Amino acid sequence: DAMVIQNPRYQVTQFGKPVTLSCSQTLNHNVMYWYQQKSSQAPKLLFHYYDKDFNNEADTPDNFQSRRPNTSFCFLDIRSPGLGDAAMYLCATSRDGLAGAIEQYFGPGTRLTVT
Amino acid sequence: GENVEQHPSTLSVQEGDSAVIKCTYSDSASNYFPWYKQELGKGPQLIIDIRSNVGEKKDQRIAVTLNKTAKHFSLHITETQPEDSAVYFCAPSGGGADGLTFGKGTHLIIQP
Repeated sequence: DAMVIQNPRYQVTQFGKPVTLSCSQTLNHNVMYWYQQKSSQAPKLLFHYYDKDFNNEADTPDNFQSRRPNTSFCFLDIRSPGLGDAAMYLCATSRDGLAGAIEQYFGPGTRLTVT
Repeated sequence: GENVEQHPSTLSVQEGDSAVIKCTYSDSASNYFPWYKQELGKGPQLIIDIRSNVGEKKDQRIAVTLNKTAKHFSLHITETQPEDSAVYFCAPSGGGADGLTFGKGTHLIIQP
């Protein structure tokens, strides 16, 4: 089945130790997104790729970076995780079309714990 | 940017009854109005959406109504079932590939 896959599902890292979360998709969608969702809150957009073009949200900390080496894969790098970065990280994809906004497909998320 | 308010934050209904969740937005340029359902431990999933040229859309037990003049849209779930228990988010947008701005969510609890 076509889908959005996130690995790992659970990640534990130490304070200040770089960590990378990965996302892959078999939908062949041209847009990929990263959202941060803290406990009992709504997902919050960090950035997105439209094809290879990177679009950062104004309030996304510099500590968060992203790479998209090809259509299928996208990575979220947290350079120096702090305790406040503990959250669920959601990857999503969409296919931008002439008709306007298209449904976003979400992966199951990676829950990050910072110790 | 879009300012989104969603009410109520928690809604408890008896199984079989109806549930209504309301979303208010600020950006008059918004033209796409989706509702996402998030079950515990999973990513959000689109359950229904509507575009600004339509006032109402229905899919079996789920419906969405839009009042563009008043800038709000609502999710209606009829004949609620235990599997409807989840958190529901609205995410009005201007279309295109921009990311979503979600409402704060409504925790829907279906009481047996």
